[in-house]
Amino acid sequence: SQTIHQWPATLVQPVGSPLSLECTVEGTSNPNLYWYRQAAGRGLQLLFYSVGIGQISSEVPQNLSASRPQDRQFILSSKKLLLSDSGFYLCAWSVGLRYGYTFGSGTRLTVV
Amino acid sequence: SQQGEEDPQALSIQEGENATMNCSYKTSINNLQWYRQNSGRGLVHLILIRSNEREKHSGRLRVTLDTSKKSSSLLITASRAADTASYFCATDAIHSGGGADGLTFGKGTHLIIQP
Repeated sequence: SQTIHQWPATLVQPVGSPLSLECTVEGTSNPNLYWYRQAAGRGLQLLFYSVGIGQISSEVPQNLSASRPQDRQFILSSKKLLLSDSGFYLCAWSVGLRYGYTFGSGTRLTVV
Repeated sequence: SQQGEEDPQALSIQEGENATMNCSYKTSINNLQWYRQNSGRGLVHLILIRSNEREKHSGRLRVTLDTSKKSSSLLITASRAADTASYFCATDAIHSGGGADGLTFGKGTHLIIQP
């Protein structure tokens, strides 16, 4: 069966520090992968999506970046975190837009 | 701008009652999906309705879609305390560029079921 792993669950980082959040998918090949951010009491904002290894599309310009070094691995990074980067980060996969997404359990990032 | 907008923002009902949440969107879509999110957790896919469908059922869930009004509703019948969560609609708005653009989510309806 397909599963998605996302870690860490919570993270507290100082302003200006780097960030690396990892997401891996098991049980499927060539999934579409997504990173979303959810601010408190808000909807989800699409940050990045990927249809294949090394293929990254960015929806929102910001100081975050994403990489897909392997078929089932999706990484969200930042060189220098800002206070405004705080939020709940969710990774998801799907076989296509016409199918449901499967979400990871999320990472609560607090930048202090 | 937000594609999907849920209404109401918050809803509190007694256990056993039916809960209805609405979603409006702005552009043409291929399908509309509803998700549930428990506090501090990831989203769970509930149901998908395609643009050529008008109604769909899954257990205690009933979803309707009116493409002429660009709106959808999610009905949860015989609500339970465990249904307390936030519910989001999401659409795959058709973009001119095509590709695997991500779903666009609304801000959600926070549903509280009181025992």
